[in-house]
This record gives sequence, C-alpha cells and structure tokens, in this order.
Amino acid sequence: DAKTTQPTSMDCAEGRAANLPCNHSTISGNEYVYWYRQIHSQGPQYIIHGLKNNETNEMASLIITEDRKSSTLILPHATLRDTAVYYCIVIYTGANSKLTFGKGITLSVRP
Amino acid sequence: KAGVTQTPRYLIKTRGQQVTLSCSPISGHRSVSWYQQTPGQGLQFLFEYFSETQRNKGNFPGRFSGRQFSNSRSEMNVSTLELGDSALYLCASSLGSGAGEKLFFGSGTQLSVL
Repeated sequence: DAKTTQPTSMDCAEGRAANLPCNHSTISGNEYVYWYRQIHSQGPQYIIHGLKNNETNEMASLIITEDRKSSTLILPHATLRDTAVYYCIVIYTGANSKLTFGKGITLSVRP
Repeated sequence: KAGVTQTPRYLIKTRGQQVTLSCSPISGHRSVSWYQQTPGQGLQFLFEYFSETQRNKGNFPGRFSGRQFSNSRSEMNVSTLELGDSALYLCASSLGSGAGEKLFFGSGTQLSVL
C-alpha cells in the first residue's frame, strides 16, 4: 500500500474551516484514499473515502488532486468536538482489513 | 442500529496468563478485523475474519489467535501474556472485505499486563 505523509499537528478556530492535507505521491490507480479520526480513548471513526473524484458527506469533503498524489480533508465548520487525531490512509482493493495507520495529524480546535 | 461492541472495556492481567476478548459486529456485517494500538507502534493489524474464515493475518506471534462464529461474532485470544502486550485492542467490522468498504470500530478493550 502507498505511504502517506501528514503534518504532525495543526489548529484552527471554532467555526472556521479546517483543511487537513495529506501527501500520497506513490498511490497507484486502484488505491482508495480513506480518512479516519480518533478521539482520545475511542476507536477510529470513518469519515470519508474516495478514489478519483472529490467526495462530500455530512461530515466532511475530500478533495483529491487530479494526479492523485495528494488530498485534503475539509471540515467546513470545525467545532471543539472535532479535536482529534486524523489519519489519511491509502488502501488497495480487497486489502482494507490490513489498514496501517501512521501517526496521523492532531487537529486542535480552539474556542 | 447498534455499533460494534467490545467486551470487556478494561482488563488487568499478569504475565503468563491468557486472555480472551470479544467483539460483536454491526448486524449484517460479515467481516471482523482486529488491531492492536500502542503509543509507540500506533495501530497495527492483527487479523481479519470473513464468514468464519481467517482471510488476512498481520505480523504477530502465534500467541495471538482469533476465531469467528457463525453469527459473525469474533473472539481473539492472547496466551502467555507479556508486558509488551499491554495495549488497546480494537475490533472493526464491515459488510464485506472488498474495495471501498468502510470499517466501523468498537471502543476497544484496554488490556494492562502487570
């Protein structure tokens, strides 16, 4: 599976958009980009995933560059409850059970 | 719909003992996978079961084993516990194990080995 690179941490103000970047320059054609987040002492929570097109759901938007080498998770109106570690993962078809979570990015939402 | 349920939530054992952790997936989900999470190593894949068959296995010693029952509930067992086995053990379920599946995680079992 392709490796991902994320900044260690970032913060944003409550109510503002949080844009979390992820680099996956070695991604191959059949690999999906997934985002999960983990709030302290809980299991990871699925946020969104995509293959080529941009995706949006009730939680977030996922913007994937045309060359698929990077992506951005957008939380449109961050709240204090969005403070968590966010993991960007690239996974091949049929192998999502071998998800390998890196260090992720710690997002701190400040009042 | 109830989420993924893991029991017990906390467990304290001593070295050399063995432990069994339980996971009940979301109703209708047939795939269950297990992960170990520690501060130093992050979240690491243990194994995955689909329809009672082990499909994938991570790089853990044979002391770590699991099984899945016909109702998709799963158990994992760790024998001859070592101090380094102290970790948060997470279970995740999904409908299948194909491309584009979403994993739904339980809250985990926090195991402390003394």
